[in-house]
Amino acid sequence: SAVISQKPSRDICQRGTSLTIQCQVDSQVTMMFWYRQQPGQSLTLIATANQGSEATYESGFVIDKFPISRPNLTFSTLTVSNMSPEDSSIYLCSVEDRAPWGAWGYEQYFGPGTRLTVT
Amino acid sequence: GNSVTQMEGPVTLSEEAFLTINCTYTATGYPSLFWYVQYPGEGLQLLLKATKADDKGSNKGFEATYRKETTSFHLEKGSVQVSDSAVYFCALSDFIQGAQKLVFGQGTRLTINP
Repeated sequence: SAVISQKPSRDICQRGTSLTIQCQVDSQVTMMFWYRQQPGQSLTLIATANQGSEATYESGFVIDKFPISRPNLTFSTLTVSNMSPEDSSIYLCSVEDRAPWGAWGYEQYFGPGTRLTVT
Repeated sequence: GNSVTQMEGPVTLSEEAFLTINCTYTATGYPSLFWYVQYPGEGLQLLLKATKADDKGSNKGFEATYRKETTSFHLEKGSVQVSDSAVYFCALSDFIQGAQKLVFGQGTRLTINP
């Protein structure tokens, strides 16, 4: 199963600025995903990032606000642009990888998240 | 579209109590179903899953059975421990454009008192 790290783990930013979040995986994976978890809420998928192609954004999320890079099979970045207090959330990276030995199919593994506060 | 509805929290129980967290879903096709757990200060971890009707997923004493007739995937544990205190998310996977996309319920915060 994949092990995922994210940087930074948390940050406090001023409105109008941008923050880039990094996601590193310990193995090569095709599918990477970015989620947002607003305070007290569930997770919402922002976009799917495949290496070598443009990210696919979900309804309500646009590339200008959340540009994503996927330069190789182990790394991705998500930028939160022109931030406002409404962007205060936990941002999580996840990957799709083969299930552990003995289990069937693929599973999604999540990073520890980046807690963003915008003042 | 596909959706997941979970029992509202927070849920507070005493140690060794029986736990049920209800989860129902709406989906076209035959999704896989999951329970994820988020311990305080940590990321999401897959707790258990079921990939087809009547499958039972189990892990760490937790169980959930994929019930197609009632579109449910309720989480149960016979005797909870303080260490089970966490937020639990029910989710389904939707295979779209070559990717397994997860749709999550709103989460249920569980607190176990000694």
